[in-house]
Amino acid sequence: QVQLVESGGGVVQPGRSLRLSCAASGFTFSSYAMHWVRQAPGKGLEWVAVISYDGSNKYYADSVKGRFTISRDNSKNTLYLQMNSLRAEDTAVYYCAREGFVVVVAATPPLDYWGQGTLVTVSS
Amino acid sequence: EIVLTQSPDFQSVTPKEKVTITCRASQSIGSSLHWYQQKPDQSPKLLIKYASQSFSGVPSRFSGSGSGTDFTLTINSLEAEDAATYYCHQSSSLPQTFGQGTKVEIK
Repeated sequence: QVQLVESGGGVVQPGRSLRLSCAASGFTFSSYAMHWVRQAPGKGLEWVAVISYDGSNKYYADSVKGRFTISRDNSKNTLYLQMNSLRAEDTAVYYCAREGFVVVVAATPPLDYWGQGTLVTVSS
Repeated sequence: EIVLTQSPDFQSVTPKEKVTITCRASQSIGSSLHWYQQKPDQSPKLLIKYASQSFSGVPSRFSGSGSGTDFTLTINSLEAEDAATYYCHQSSSLPQTFGQGTKVEIK
């Protein structure tokens, strides 16, 4: 079965860095685009970034552009999120999610499986 | 950026009642609209994809409809286990966006 397990969260001071990991299993990781989505405490979902199946294309939300970097290692079935210059407003649970395959013409797929999330707290 | 607006924000419902949640997009997104359920302290789970297709294993009481800018999630005959927050999500264009969520409480 599809499994996504995030790790690397914790408490970090403003301005510092943190790297999140997402270990994938139960599917051919190298065939799927992957996303990061975050959720601030008591708030809704915010899309953060996406990386294509082979790592050649990456896109970011404006709120993290220039500070966060999404990457992947298909040999290790692992997705990463390098977070630099962290701010208090980056405090959230970070989820990795798999993008499904396109099955409808002229439509783009959902995020069909999500990890359990890892909490990042930015505080002095 | 495409803005998704859900209504209502909160709904308190008796078991076996029908629940309807709407999601309106600020511009046309075709059928690239998906619905998720998130229970407290859990990650979101996909319910409906491409506006109206049920995801594997989702109970048949959940259904979706719509296209373009107006979408609806319907829960027929609500059960106690359906207490959760429901989000719509558009994948039509980047940045992908989510609705603000609709919390469904069981009376």
